Amino acid sequence: SQTIHQWPATLVQPVGSPLSLECTVEGTSNPNLYWYRQAAGRGLQLLFYSVGIGQISSEVPQNLSASRPQDRQFILSSKKLLLSDSGFYLCAWRPSGRPYNEQFFGPGTRLTVL
Amino acid sequence: DQQVKQNSPSLSVQEGRISILNCDYTNSMFDYFLWYKKYPAEGPTFLISISSIKDKNEDGRFTVFLNKSAKHLSLHIVPSQPGDSAVYFCAASASFGNEKLTFGTGTRLTIIP
Repeated sequence: SQTIHQWPATLVQPVGSPLSLECTVEGTSNPNLYWYRQAAGRGLQLLFYSVGIGQISSEVPQNLSASRPQDRQFILSSKKLLLSDSGFYLCAWRPSGRPYNEQFFGPGTRLTVL
Repeated sequence: DQQVKQNSPSLSVQEGRISILNCDYTNSMFDYFLWYKKYPAEGPTFLISISSIKDKNEDGRFTVFLNKSAKHLSLHIVPSQPGDSAVYFCAASASFGNEKLTFGTGTRLTIIP
């Protein structure tokens, strides 16, 4: 069966510090991968998605970037965090080649920028 | 522009009764719809989905209804159980290579014992 991991579970960072959140998927190959953010009281906002190694599409221009160095690894980064980057970050995956867009989510990372 | 709307931020239902969660959308290109359930500090869990070629899909206690002409879908949970207390998100997708799921803002369902 497929499993998706995210770490860390929680993170408190000062403004201006860098960020690296990691997501890995097990039990599948060539998945589509996604980063979402849920701000307090809001829905889920798609930040980035990737359909293959090195292929990144950005949905919202902002202070974050994403990379996919390996087939089942997706990394969310920032060089300098802003207060507005606080939120709940979710990684998701989708089996490639499926006709319908069913995405499966990881446990999330709670990021607080102070 | 909120293309997927869940107008009820919260809903309370007695245990054993039916819970009905509603979702409206504006983009006529959406042809696949999903419901997710989310507990605090956890990732959303996929519940049930429906394609636009259907108007109903059932899975155990969960049924999703789609009214394309009204651009409206609903999730029925019957009978409601205490473990159903969570935030429910509606999501929509347009096919043909579109990777994006557009989410509503969620409805917090509370089941009263």
